[in-house]
Amino acid sequence: AQSVTQLDSHVSVSEGTPVLLRCNYSSSYSPSLFWYVQHPNKGLQLLLKYTSAATLVKGINGFEAEFKKSETSFHLTKPSAHMSDAAEYFCVVSDKLGRDDKIIFGKGTRLHILP
Amino acid sequence: GAGVSQSPSNKVTEKGKDVELRCDPISGHTALYWYRQSLGQGLEFLIYFQGNSAPDKSGLPSDRFSAERTGGSVSTLTIQRTQQEDSAVYLCASSPGLAGTFYEQYFGPGTRLTVT
Repeated sequence: AQSVTQLDSHVSVSEGTPVLLRCNYSSSYSPSLFWYVQHPNKGLQLLLKYTSAATLVKGINGFEAEFKKSETSFHLTKPSAHMSDAAEYFCVVSDKLGRDDKIIFGKGTRLHILP
Repeated sequence: GAGVSQSPSNKVTEKGKDVELRCDPISGHTALYWYRQSLGQGLEFLIYFQGNSAPDKSGLPSDRFSAERTGGSVSTLTIQRTQQEDSAVYLCASSPGLAGTFYEQYFGPGTRLTVT
């Protein structure tokens, strides 16, 4: 069965310091993995996605994530946080089971940026 | 081009009333999803339409919830006899093909439903 676990519900970092948002998944097959961001009172936006090509994926706004099959992880990182990065981030796993696509959202990690 | 749109943006209703929420997906997108997001919670999958296939209704929380998609485009989520626990933001997303596996979802701004 598929599942996705975001290990931290809240993360606080100072502006200019690195960001690490953790995501672990379980999947029966070869999953696709996504990170979405939701800014306050805004819709969800795709940050990046992994679909079995390069394991290091670069996304928008300087974010990147590395797919590590041995660790079943897909952590999101950014070298230097900016105030505009304050938002909620969702890790998503997607698999194809039979003819159906199953998409599972994590519970989200709220990122706080300290001045 | 236009993104996914949802209407109304806000809806306040009395307990026991029925409500209809509308989603206009991106033109040409064959897959359409409905999710519910409660305060402080992640996204809860409700229902999924893919082309002309029977919808995946496995996420609907009760038989008070139903959805339809007319002509493979616009979708309506209906909640009958609303309860206070139905208060949430209802999000719609569409996707160009086999949703999720290779294609990302494009989300609408949501409808905030408040049941008083």
